Amino acid sequence: DTGVSQDPRHKITKRGQNVTFRCDPISEHNRLYWYRQTLGQGPEFLTYFQNEAQLEKSRLLSDRFSAERPKGSFSTLEIQRTEQGDSAMYLCASSFGLDGYTFGSGTRLTVV
Amino acid sequence: QKEVEQNSGPLSVPEGAIASLNCTYSDRGSQSFFWYRQYSGKSPELIMFIYSNGDKEDGRFTAQLNKASQYVSLLIRDSQPSDSATYLCAEGGGAQKLVFGQGTRLTINP
Repeated sequence: DTGVSQDPRHKITKRGQNVTFRCDPISEHNRLYWYRQTLGQGPEFLTYFQNEAQLEKSRLLSDRFSAERPKGSFSTLEIQRTEQGDSAMYLCASSFGLDGYTFGSGTRLTVV
Repeated sequence: QKEVEQNSGPLSVPEGAIASLNCTYSDRGSQSFFWYRQYSGKSPELIMFIYSNGDKEDGRFTAQLNKASQYVSLLIRDSQPSDSATYLCAEGGGAQKLVFGQGTRLTINP
């Protein structure tokens, strides 16, 4: 495993449905981040884990969003009752030290 | 609320010339800065990071940091068409949570 893996790559869902995304970080990385990116904008921070502990969650994140990282390994991001405004690229990243982090390929969500 | 500002472009540069990308940030206490490159439809990839005032060079890329003026820049020498991408500037917060600018779209013209 040489990179951050995200699954699925693409997800189309109907408004009101729940969706769950998975992220597998680089194995030796203890920090894991979720970001959201819309067209023409930079990535926007959603939440962050150090090992299994969720240490920060953006106040922009509504209660419909939840993330977990059981046992400090992979992470899941769930969006409940999806809305059209949730359509975006959801990026996962991981890091160990202080020299920036590695992004996964992202999950593109389209809510119709 | 920390902010990072970039000119969204597009910035058009002829092949072989120097491309100069700039970024300003709002938090005077910020310590670390990162440049990511993002090709269309792909995820960001780290190019360089810089912590200290001055220049840091890596191949054709040079990052410049001026903490007094709160700006960061990225120079790309001998620009190639493959350098055409969106360049994202980011400021590193506690535990390395990054705040990104909106990105500058760069086009290198053959």
